[in-house]
Amino acid sequence: AQTVTQSQPEMSVQEAETVTLSCTYDTSESDYYLFWYKQPPSRQMILVIRQEAYKQQNATENRFSVNFQKAAKSFSLKISDSQLGDAAMYFCAYRRRRDDKIIFGKGTRLHILP
Amino acid sequence: DVKVTQSSRYLVKRTGEKVFLECVQDMDHENMFWYRQDPGLGLRLIYFSYDVKMKEKGDIPEGYSVSREKKERFSLILESASTNQTSMYLCASIGGIQKPQPQHFGDGTRLSIL
Repeated sequence: AQTVTQSQPEMSVQEAETVTLSCTYDTSESDYYLFWYKQPPSRQMILVIRQEAYKQQNATENRFSVNFQKAAKSFSLKISDSQLGDAAMYFCAYRRRRDDKIIFGKGTRLHILP
Repeated sequence: DVKVTQSSRYLVKRTGEKVFLECVQDMDHENMFWYRQDPGLGLRLIYFSYDVKMKEKGDIPEGYSVSREKKERFSLILESASTNQTSMYLCASIGGIQKPQPQHFGDGTRLSIL
């Protein structure tokens, strides 16, 4: 069975600093997608970044980037130049391509210190 | 912009009641999902549907059922509500132009069972 593990329930980072959120997953599938979602206090989940497993190049979206290590089954999220608006719960998600079944990690609550 | 609308933001019901949570998406997405979100447990998949009248059990389907009579609407039903079903419920659909397609989430329904 697939699992997604976020080992850091809570993290803090100083504004303008860089922080890395970890995510590991377990799967026997070869074709899948990985996502990071953000859930601010207003509650709606929004997509941060996505990665296709067959692409070796790490995805980047402005200040957000991932370090995708397929062999190690690791998918960490790096946030550069942290801003107060980055404070949220972050969820790592794995999606199996063949049937779209999705598994979420338990989340990491990120605090931004002014 | 994709809109996923959940009928209620907050709902209070009594033990034993039959409860309906409604979700509507406006982008003709085929795949729709129901999750519950509990502190420390992340998002857990209850049911998902990949087409009208089609449904698949997720990881925690017990005590729940779903209905998908029209493509845009995916309903979650608590047959006989119990206090352990007090939770935040999130609906999502998959779609979009950019691949891999992300999930789009509703605002959530905070359900309390008394």
